[in-house]
Amino acid sequence: DGGITQSPKYLFRKEGQNVTLSCEQNLNHDAMYWYRQDPGQGLRLIYYSQIVNDFQKGDIAEGYSVSREKKESFPLTVTSAQKNPTAFYLCASSSFSGNEQFFGPGTRLTVL
Amino acid sequence: GEDVEQSLFLSVREGDSSVINCTYTDSSSTYLYWYKQEPGAGLQLLTYIFSNMDMKQDQRLTVLLNKKDKHLSLRIADTQTGDSAIYFCAESSYYGGATNKLIFGTGTLLAVQP
Repeated sequence: DGGITQSPKYLFRKEGQNVTLSCEQNLNHDAMYWYRQDPGQGLRLIYYSQIVNDFQKGDIAEGYSVSREKKESFPLTVTSAQKNPTAFYLCASSSFSGNEQFFGPGTRLTVL
Repeated sequence: GEDVEQSLFLSVREGDSSVINCTYTDSSSTYLYWYKQEPGAGLQLLTYIFSNMDMKQDQRLTVLLNKKDKHLSLRIADTQTGDSAIYFCAESSYYGGATNKLIFGTGTLLAVQP
């Protein structure tokens, strides 16, 4: 079964802690993306990566970090510098041109 | 700047047609998309249209594009209760190179009454 998996589905964090969200794809896609979704808002781009060992900031990268050591994996770290981290995080992947982006099921992060 | 706008809510009866509307600002958008999101889930790509097309039909879904007015619509024929979800419109723009950045609207909640 080809697709995108994200884990965990729900994540709780205390203030001041860093947490890492996992995203894995077996679609052989070159590009991967992280979006944040807040209630009543559209998705906003955090980071994206077109190829292994390269990634670029999106519109709201502050307080987040990523790595792309393998084609299949694009983990997102939410650092303590992110002022309002409670949100629904969605990972997506696409071919290099990105005409069709496919999304994972999401991780809901709650900061206690 | 780039912006995509949608109405927040639409209610229809089962069996009726639904029309969800969207306006966008980037006239250079190459593709326009419709995604569906069910509660607590990721986004499912429903359909997309190339900017040089006026219409695209795919089973119960019809997409209409008015490029002059920068208006996109999604028509769902014979709407079913399983179509209840949030529908997102998105436009594409190139972002720092070859990557196709998607700009999303705020989503339209479609409620289908039995």
